[in-house]
Amino acid sequence: GIQVEQSPPDLILQEGANSTLRCNFSDSVNNLQWFHQNPWGQLINLFYIPSGTKQNGRLSATTVATERYSLLYISSSQTTDSGVYFCAATGNQFYFGTGTSLTVIP
Amino acid sequence: GAVVSQHPSWVICKSGTSVKIECRSLDFQATTMFWYRQFPKQSLMLMATSNEGSKATYEQGVEKDKFLINHASLTLSTLTVTSAHPEDSSFYICSWDRGYGYTFGSGTRLTIV
Repeated sequence: GIQVEQSPPDLILQEGANSTLRCNFSDSVNNLQWFHQNPWGQLINLFYIPSGTKQNGRLSATTVATERYSLLYISSSQTTDSGVYFCAATGNQFYFGTGTSLTVIP
Repeated sequence: GAVVSQHPSWVICKSGTSVKIECRSLDFQATTMFWYRQFPKQSLMLMATSNEGSKATYEQGVEKDKFLINHASLTLSTLTVTSAHPEDSSFYICSWDRGYGYTFGSGTRLTIV
């Protein structure tokens, strides 16, 4: 199956800082999504982004399928951004990455 | 759009009992859905893939007789953890394949005491 690795595994930011989360995948994928898992466990879909760049408010994502990576940008971070960020890639099934645990401190 | 209802949100049961978790898509229909399990501070691990009207396909290491999946319709699937034990305590989450992305339920935190 597809290996999906994320970096960094943990990240602590001061409120207002910017950050970049990376997702590498080992094979061609049909789909890539970014999720935010809140403290209650709920997965919030952030982006469906098999290729290209999308932006939604302070968040944006870029997937370069030919180079097998995707990036999630968080600008002007807020404490509510804290949680775990997962990328997930679809080959013949949906493979979740290892996650990045983000803590934004006031 | 793309709302998935998963119940219960949390449940505490005694060892040896069976627990049923329901996952329902409220505003769309889909043939394929998935059940995941997540242990603390770990990623989501796929347990099984289910197509409506067919038997579920289980991942290696997941006991099909312990985790019973009933995919009754294009909008409803249930996962029953039979004769649950403390090691089955985990966060269970369902997902539906909409064809252009996956939508997840809110998860069920299962604790077996």
